[in-house]
Amino acid sequence: GQQVMQIPQYQHVQEGEDFTTYCNSSTTLSNIQWYKQRPGGHPVFLIQLVKSGEVKKQKRLTFQFGEAKKNSSLHITATQTTDVGTYFCAVNSRLTFGEGTQLTVNP
Amino acid sequence: SQTIHQWPATLVQPVGSPLSLECTVEGTSNPNLYWYRQAAGRGLQLLFYSVGIGQISSEVPQNLSASRPQDRQFILSSKKLLLSDSGFYLCAWRPGRGNTEAFFGQGTRLTVV
Repeated sequence: GQQVMQIPQYQHVQEGEDFTTYCNSSTTLSNIQWYKQRPGGHPVFLIQLVKSGEVKKQKRLTFQFGEAKKNSSLHITATQTTDVGTYFCAVNSRLTFGEGTQLTVNP
Repeated sequence: SQTIHQWPATLVQPVGSPLSLECTVEGTSNPNLYWYRQAAGRGLQLLFYSVGIGQISSEVPQNLSASRPQDRQFILSSKKLLLSDSGFYLCAWRPGRGNTEAFFGQGTRLTVV
């Protein structure tokens, strides 16, 4: 089935620093979704990208979908301790998830 | 509004015992349903998904099975648990049409001892 590679696996930042996680696919995606899972919690939907080159923003979060629709990124500006958690991308009708990027923020 | 219920929240079971985890969705009809397992600090492994009653697709051959006896009920089972079955099990649903957002249950943390 369609799979996505997500990097990095872990990211530790100082509060106020930026953070970026990437998802890459070997095949063209119809769309991509991003989820956040807080420690001990369940994944919560953040956003869906559908169009080639699409960019969406949610406050300090910026989501991008590549022109070829094979990659996507999530960028957080000026991280806060509330951003701690694991960020996943997910693709296709089977809702296949990437391995996630675990973000820790040092206050 | 739609809600998803998953229980129990935690479970400790001996090796070789059976397992039954239940997930139900309210407030919608004909949802797509999913079972995932998550090992500590790892990603979500898709185990089963279903697009309708009695329609189950298995993603990973293993010691588990799934059933969908009713439209909004999804059950994960095992006849004999293995130590490697320990993990965090998550049920999710999303509308049957289109690749829209998915909603997750609270999860069941299973420890096989």
